[in-house]
Amino acid sequence: SYELTQPPSVSVSPGQTARITCSGDALTKKYAHWYQQKSGQAPVLVIYEDRTRPSGIPERFSGSSSGTVATLTISGAQVEDEADYYCFSTDSSGTQRMFGGGSKLTVL
Amino acid sequence: EVQLVESGGGLVKPGGSLRLSCVASGFTFSTYSINWVRQAPGKGLEWVSSISGRSSYIYYADSLKGRFTISRDNAKNSLYLQMNSLRAEDTAVYFCARDRRECDSDSCSSYFYMDVWGKGTTVTVSS
Repeated sequence: SYELTQPPSVSVSPGQTARITCSGDALTKKYAHWYQQKSGQAPVLVIYEDRTRPSGIPERFSGSSSGTVATLTISGAQVEDEADYYCFSTDSSGTQRMFGGGSKLTVL
Repeated sequence: EVQLVESGGGLVKPGGSLRLSCVASGFTFSTYSINWVRQAPGKGLEWVSSISGRSSYIYYADSLKGRFTISRDNAKNSLYLQMNSLRAEDTAVYFCARDRRECDSDSCSSYFYMDVWGKGTTVTVSS
């Protein structure tokens, strides 16, 4: 079955750049989307279609994709960015959707 | 305000059944595809199922086919998930989430990712 692979954890100091990767074979043809989930809350879309930021999401959040790897970048990470981040995409047929395993971002 | 509110969660014994509901408000429900996504305690997000606006297209995660059934009633702005033969591993918070859709003056486009989520309802499968 198709999978998206993320690092379990990423840690940075406040003001540093955090990068979270997501790898999967179908990402060469399918978009990656990114969700932020803070403890006890519903997920929030922070990047869609590889690199587009929804309105209301801070400019420090950006996305990119190359080959089989999509990357979420948080430039100048802040303490309030501590959360779990999930990539999301579909398989090549478009009928199966899946999340990556999630990456816990620690900013301290 | 665009809103999704889930209900119907609770404690059920292994092998039992449960029907979850999700009521939508603030948008034209019948024109949007809606999904169920779940999250087991301390675990990641798992996509469960999606249904198109007119129920023409229905998809399930391969791991769940045969036990769960998604449906909707557009007259009631409601989405459902019928869950049968429940197992301990089905214990999770279940979210409903709307697929993004954008319209301009000429047409509308639907996208295969979620932009609005409910707060979730908790299902516990235990004897």
